[in-house]
Amino acid sequence: EIVLTQSPATLSLSPGERATLSCRASQSVSIYLAWYQQKPGQAPRLLIYDASYRAAGVPARFSGSGSGTDFTLTISSLEPEDFAVYHCQQRSNWPPTFGPGTKLLIK
Amino acid sequence: QVHLVESGGGVVQPGRSLRLSCVASGFSFSNYAMHWVRQAPGEGLEWVAVISDNGSDKYSAESVKGRFTISRDNSKNTLYLHMNSLRPDDTAVYYCARRYCTPESCHEYFQHWGQGTLVIVSS
Repeated sequence: EIVLTQSPATLSLSPGERATLSCRASQSVSIYLAWYQQKPGQAPRLLIYDASYRAAGVPARFSGSGSGTDFTLTISSLEPEDFAVYHCQQRSNWPPTFGPGTKLLIK
Repeated sequence: QVHLVESGGGVVQPGRSLRLSCVASGFSFSNYAMHWVRQAPGEGLEWVAVISDNGSDKYSAESVKGRFTISRDNSKNTLYLHMNSLRPDDTAVYYCARRYCTPESCHEYFQHWGQGTLVIVSS
């Protein structure tokens, strides 16, 4: 099974700053990686699929990039509602697996 | 509007059984494969099981194989997770989820989620 690692585990930033979150796969997943946002007490929300495509309704400040084993989620200018946990997930190999998450905290 | 509502969670002793349900609305349930995904307290997400649209194909994670069974009743728009021989490390919020689909194809990302139901396995 493919193992996903995310860094940093915790990121403290201020509103208006740029956030860069990383996800690394134990082997190539091509472009078959997604990003989710999860707020406390809520289910995850799909943000990005196939590495760089925004899901419906996702603001343009969220962007994804990467291929192979290294991927990045960028939030260009943080809004107060963006402080949450972000998970990556691969669908390249069965079973689908998730990373441990990055917690984005308000500084 | 897609709506998924899980139920059936609770506190159960190790070794006992529990059945979770997920009622779907807002889409043609019988046309979609469905998944269960769980999240232990303070932990990341773990895929648990999937069932095809007509129920003929089922796959589950190694961690639950032989203990958990996924099923569905398309006449009731309901997905189930039958959990046997529960262990403390099965403690988690269990989500049902529908995979991501475009008009052309579907992929194993999770676009629609229920609110989750909490299962606590403890003596």
